[in-house]
Amino acid sequence: NAGVTQTPKFRVLKTGQSMTLLCAQDMNHEYMYWYRQDPGMGLRLIHYSVGEGTTAKGEVPDGYNVSRLKKQNFLLGLESAAPSQTSVYFCASSGQARTDTQYFGPGTRLTVL
Amino acid sequence: GQSLEQPSEVTAVEGAIVQINCTYQTSGFYGLSWYQQHDGGAPTFLSYNALDGLEETGRFSSFLSRSDSYGYLLLQELQMKDSASYFCAVRGYQLIWGAGTKLIIKP
Repeated sequence: NAGVTQTPKFRVLKTGQSMTLLCAQDMNHEYMYWYRQDPGMGLRLIHYSVGEGTTAKGEVPDGYNVSRLKKQNFLLGLESAAPSQTSVYFCASSGQARTDTQYFGPGTRLTVL
Repeated sequence: GQSLEQPSEVTAVEGAIVQINCTYQTSGFYGLSWYQQHDGGAPTFLSYNALDGLEETGRFSSFLSRSDSYGYLLLQELQMKDSASYFCAVRGYQLIWGAGTKLIIKP
């Protein structure tokens, strides 16, 4: 099993450009999450999904959109990138929300110039 | 509001024992988790406490006191590879993460 994979691993954008980050998991997990992590800080939840076709806002959703069309995939979109969105983005999945053993992807390092 | 507090940095000697504390304030509470993150890597799950008491997994133990809104991670027989950041995360109505504790281990 590959676990949780993320593409791309690195990306540089100019202000105003758009992009989509892809997260895929092969563990048949119901729950999927997108986080951002800024230097020296913890994880902040952007959006999450409790199942195929569902999404919900997390702590810092502004400027991002998500979609969960297939159970194994969770997409994070930036419609008009801003320098404040420079960060490392992690995707995670879990089988049960309340026990919260979350499995993380390797991360995407995004720089917005 | 919701918040978690943990020390920003802890220093210990190889072979010693270190405790990383976490205090929290959340709306609703289901459990406290601990994750490890090496520089440049992804967080990896260490432990989860839903009930009061101590959970032991090898050299790592985690403790929870729901009445005190407090937990800690205990690392024994420290090894250089344990140098990492450690995050507590609380499941309330949403999952909230602490800012992390950087553990520095000296030989």
